[in-house]
Amino acid sequence: ETVVTQSPATRSVSPGERATLSCRASQSVSSDLAWYQQKPGQAPRLLIYDASTRATGIPARFSGSGSGTEFTLTISSLQSEDFAVYYCQQYNNWPRTFGGGTKVEIK
Amino acid sequence: VQMVESGGGLVQPGGSLRLSCATSGFTFVSYTMNWVRQAPGKGLEWISYIGETPASVQYADSVGGRFTISRDNAKNSLYLQMNNLRADDTAVYYCTTSGGYSYGTFDYWGQGTLVTVSS
Repeated sequence: ETVVTQSPATRSVSPGERATLSCRASQSVSSDLAWYQQKPGQAPRLLIYDASTRATGIPARFSGSGSGTEFTLTISSLQSEDFAVYYCQQYNNWPRTFGGGTKVEIK
Repeated sequence: VQMVESGGGLVQPGGSLRLSCATSGFTFVSYTMNWVRQAPGKGLEWISYIGETPASVQYADSVGGRFTISRDNAKNSLYLQMNNLRADDTAVYYCTTSGGYSYGTFDYWGQGTLVTVSS
């Protein structure tokens, strides 16, 4: 099983600032990595797939990078609606696995 | 795209439940489907996958041998039969599509249905 680890668990950021979230896989997953956003009481929403491609309707302030075992989600200028929990997920092999999440909170 | 889960509720340990996911707004037969769960206050856990046809299925070790995923393409519906339920199966269960953006992403999600396993 590919273990996916996210860091930090919580990131405190002021509105308008840049946030960088990290995701590490225990073995190479190539570029088979996605990012999701989840707000309280809501289902997750796909943001990024194939490590760096934005899903339809996702603002350009969200960007993904990386390959192999190290990945990054960057939110260039945090808006109020971006404060949420972010999960990464690998789909290179079975079982599909998620990281434990990073909560982005208001500083 | 709309996906509506149902069938959750309170069940005793060792009991069974059948979850359903009714879908509309997309060509169901063309999508692979999954169940993903989230225990209260915890992260996301993928638990099961089914291909466009029922011949291709996958399960997480945590549910293999107890849960069975199925689909009815004529009814645009996904199911999860859950047997021998345990307390650690308590979670919100989401149905998700995959294969739209990339083969393994969870593209669209239902609102979830809560399963509580407790005596």
